[in-house]
Formats: sequence, C-alpha cells, structure tokens
Amino acid sequence: SQTIHQWPATLVQPVGSPLSLECTVEGTSNPNLYWYRQAAGRGLQLLFYSVGIGQISSEVPQNLSASRPQDRQFILSSKKLLLSDSGFYLCAWTGTGTAGEKLFFGSGTQLSVL
Amino acid sequence: AQSVTQLGSHVSVSEGALVLLRCNYSSSVPPYLFWYVQYPNQGLQLLLKYTTGATLVKGINGFEAEFKKSETSFHLTKPSAHMSDAAEYFCAVQEGSSNTGKLIFGQGTTLQVKP
Repeated sequence: SQTIHQWPATLVQPVGSPLSLECTVEGTSNPNLYWYRQAAGRGLQLLFYSVGIGQISSEVPQNLSASRPQDRQFILSSKKLLLSDSGFYLCAWTGTGTAGEKLFFGSGTQLSVL
Repeated sequence: AQSVTQLGSHVSVSEGALVLLRCNYSSSVPPYLFWYVQYPNQGLQLLLKYTTGATLVKGINGFEAEFKKSETSFHLTKPSAHMSDAAEYFCAVQEGSSNTGKLIFGQGTTLQVKP
C-alpha cells in the first residue's frame, strides 16, 4: 500500500534562518506531488505541485521554493524565513489517473518562525 | 475562476444531533467535489468525493453529502454526531478539468460536539 512520510512534525526557526522540509512517498511511482500551507485561521493554499522529477509549478509568489530530486521525494525550502512563513505545511500526492483523483496527505509540519 | 465557500467557521452540535456543514462552490466546468476532515495536528483525510453519477455520496464515519447543481452546493451531513467527529472539515473543488489533483479548498469549518 502507498504511504506518505513528512518530517519533521514540528519546527521552530528564527527569522532569517533556512528551511528544508522533506516529503517522501512509498508504494507508488510517478506520483503528482503537492505542498499546501495552512496559515492560522485560514484554509489550505496550494504552494507548489510537481508532475515529475525536476518539474515544479509555483502557485503563489512567495519566499519559498520546492524541488523534486527523485521521483518520490519532494522538498520545500527557503533561504531566509519570514514571520509570515509560519503555518502548517502539508505534503500530498495523487496518482496520475483521471480527473477526480483524491489527494492523500501527509501528517504535516507545524512551522513556527519567531 | 473556481471557488469554495464554507458557511460558518464554527459549528457546535450536541452529541446525537444532526450535523450539517455547508459548502457552496463556483465552477465553470462540471465540478469534482471533496470533503476532507482534519483532526488536531494531523493531515487531512478524505471523507467523500463526488465526480459523476449519483448525487448523494456516502463517505466514511457515517457522513454523506449531496451534490445539488441548481444550488451549487455540496453540504455535508451526518444524522447523529459523535464526540469523535469533533474536527475541522474542509470542502474542496478540483481546479478546472485537469487531472493533476489541484484542489481549491474552503476556509474550513470547525465542528464542536458537546456531550
């Protein structure tokens, strides 16, 4: 069966420090991968998605970047964190089937930038 | 552009009472609609989805939702609330007609269940 792993679960970082969040998927190949962010009191916002190695689409202008160095690995990064980067970050994947594919989410990373 | 509106950021019901969480969507194409549940400090779990076919969709944990095109709604219901249903619920519509799985989420509704 397919599983998605996301780490760390919680992270406290000072403003201006770098960030690296990692997500891996097991049990499937060539998944579509996504990074969502949930800011306090708000819904989920899609940040990045990827349909293949090295293919990254950015949905909103921001201080973050994403990379996909391997088929089942998706990394969210920042060179210098801002206070506004605080939030709950969720990695997700879907198969590459027809429309209506459901998203499978990781357990999330709670990021606090102080 | 597609959008999702969840009416009521907080809903409180008594244990055993009907749960009704409202969701309205805007879409220029036939929508694919989803309800997800998020328990504290966890990722989202799919409750149910509507793609085509029967407009009444049954999901996990006794939840169901009805797609009403004329009302552009996809409200989530459960006949009898349980304490374990306390969580945050998100309605979502798939963006466009793509198969990339990009979803547009509502703001979420926090369900409180009182004993």
